[in-house]
Amino acid sequence: KAGVTQTPRYLIKTRGQQVTLSCSPISGHRSVSWYQQTPGQGLQFLFEYFSETQRNKGNFPGRFSGRQFSNSRSEMNVSTLELGDSALYLCASSRGDRNSPLHFGNGTRLTVT
Amino acid sequence: GENVGLHLPTLSVQEGDNSIINCAYSNSASDYFIWYKQESGKGPQFIIDIRSNMDKRQGQRVTVLLNKTVKHLSLQIAATQPGDSAVYFCAENEGQGSGSRLTFGEGTQLTVNP
Repeated sequence: KAGVTQTPRYLIKTRGQQVTLSCSPISGHRSVSWYQQTPGQGLQFLFEYFSETQRNKGNFPGRFSGRQFSNSRSEMNVSTLELGDSALYLCASSRGDRNSPLHFGNGTRLTVT
Repeated sequence: GENVGLHLPTLSVQEGDNSIINCAYSNSASDYFIWYKQESGKGPQFIIDIRSNMDKRQGQRVTVLLNKTVKHLSLQIAATQPGDSAVYFCAENEGQGSGSRLTFGEGTQLTVNP
């Protein structure tokens, strides 16, 4: 079974631009979550989607948004990029019940210059 | 080897020894916990999970212990191998209803010396 796939692996953007990251979950998984990982803040929850609906949301500004498609694939968008948005963005998928483990992809490394 | 301080970020052990990685969680209402291993350049890899109605769960070479009274988790790795060298994170699910919202610990860097 293929794992969680994230594209692209690396991105370099300029402050003020916007970016879209993509995630394909494990086949059969209906929940997709996004996390930001930085050396200073560790792993922080962004949001969770289930059946195309946002089910949980973290404490990030409105510049961070996401969506999920009918095939469970998900995209995350960051608008008006700031230097502090430089991070590893991780996508995780699960069956969707609260006691099923999240399985992570290898992330997209975003650098904002 | 064991990291006895909850804020101790590193643990160094000899190959073949048993390792114990400790973690404190914050929310007494959390009912599901997961341990992850993260190697350089990769995403977190699922190791083992435990529900709050259990206090111990065993996998292959790994055991997770849960103490709800003091809100403490530990991961025990038996016969630690060089391939176990990585950062280990505990996570608790603080999601609403049926959802998932994992809160991660700061992580512990495990180094296995041959």
